[in-house]
Amino acid sequence: GAVVSQHPSWVICKSGTSVKIECRSLDFQATTMFWYRQFPKQSLMLMATSNEGSKATYEQGVEKDKFLINHASLTLSTLTVTSAHPEDSSFYICSAASSRSLLEDTQYFGPGTRLTVL
Amino acid sequence: RKEVEQDPGPFNVPEGATVAFNCTYSNSASQSFFWYRQDCRKEPKLLMSVYSSGNEDGRFTAQLNRASQYISLLIRDSKLSDSATYLCVVKGQATDSWGKLQFGAGTQVVVTP
Repeated sequence: GAVVSQHPSWVICKSGTSVKIECRSLDFQATTMFWYRQFPKQSLMLMATSNEGSKATYEQGVEKDKFLINHASLTLSTLTVTSAHPEDSSFYICSAASSRSLLEDTQYFGPGTRLTVL
Repeated sequence: RKEVEQDPGPFNVPEGATVAFNCTYSNSASQSFFWYRQDCRKEPKLLMSVYSSGNEDGRFTAQLNRASQYISLLIRDSKLSDSATYLCVVKGQATDSWGKLQFGAGTQVVVTP
């Protein structure tokens, strides 16, 4: 149980285009989803936390107008990188948690999406 | 100063040997501690939680030292499959938003035949 999928697993796009990444919890209801970004040889950095049906909470330094997050249902959250530039190239990972798993500090990670902006 | 710091390694370990490494954290109010494992170009996977009394899971032993603000991971009888990057993860104080985890950059372990 507790499987999280991400789509696409990798994407290459031209500078200036927008890219949407989906994160789905396949066998549980995810009341909270987290979006992380990881640059090579660096730690995962939390970008934002989203709760189903409400606006995402962004971490300091993350532009909410550039990284649009929608958590419209208990099994799906999307991250849209708008007007992507080469510096946005990174490994984007989502994680999902149920209200119960959060009490146990447990998050379930998706397999990640590798974005390359040319 | 980073909230969670780790020696990046790599730690080159002969198969069957023991390897240990630490992680330091800056927030003395941190509540929960974990070790995750991350393989190249993959998502992190929970290896084990770290408890105050120390805990063991098979060949893996984790310790927490609150006074010195570090946690450690020891791997005994290393296997080739243990080659990975080990991430130290700390949950901040209780007033942090639910589930907010702080990740270290990882310690790379390479087990050689």
